[in-house]
Amino acid sequence: GAVVSQHPSRVICKSGTSVKIECRSLDFQATTMFWYRQFPKQSLMLMATSNEGSKATYEQGVEKDKFLINHASLTLSTLTVTSAHPEDSSFYICSASRIGGSYEQYFGPGTRLTVT
Amino acid sequence: GQNIDQPTEMTATEGAIVQINCTYQTSGFNGLFWYQQHAGEAPTFLSYNVLDGLEEKGRFSSFLSRSKGYSYLLLKELQMKDSASYLCAPKDSNYQLIWGAGTKLIIKP
Repeated sequence: GAVVSQHPSRVICKSGTSVKIECRSLDFQATTMFWYRQFPKQSLMLMATSNEGSKATYEQGVEKDKFLINHASLTLSTLTVTSAHPEDSSFYICSASRIGGSYEQYFGPGTRLTVT
Repeated sequence: GQNIDQPTEMTATEGAIVQINCTYQTSGFNGLFWYQQHAGEAPTFLSYNVLDGLEEKGRFSSFLSRSKGYSYLLLKELQMKDSASYLCAPKDSNYQLIWGAGTKLIIKP
């Protein structure tokens, strides 16, 4: 159990367009979902933490108007990269913690975004 | 501040044993996770320690000493597929995982 999916796995978009990434917990309800970004050979960087039905908490330096997070249900969170630029090209990974769990984070497979 | 210290890279031989050390400083402590991350993929859970001592899970074991701010991951009977990065991630007082850059493990035949 504890499977997290992400869609799409890869996306290429043009500069100035917006891209939506979905994160779903398939077989459990997630109290909290996390969005990370990872550049090549670097550590995971937490972008934001979201709880179902409430506004996401963004980490310092992450623009909330550029990276829109919606956590509409206990199994779905979305990240929308608005007005994407080439420097937004990265590996975006979501994770989810289950209700009543040990705060372990179950990771989705990631989404590789390339902005041209 | 919060800090994770792991070796950047380690090399080991197939069939051997390797120990990856991790020292941490966090504001509060609520357990420590080890994750494995293959290149281009998301991390996968390996182990979780909340009390001092050794947790064994097949070929992988993880040790924790809270007083020393120290943990290690022990990998036995190394296989080529174990080539990956290994991430030590303690939880702070807010139950937030703190991530370091991880240790890249290279397995040679």
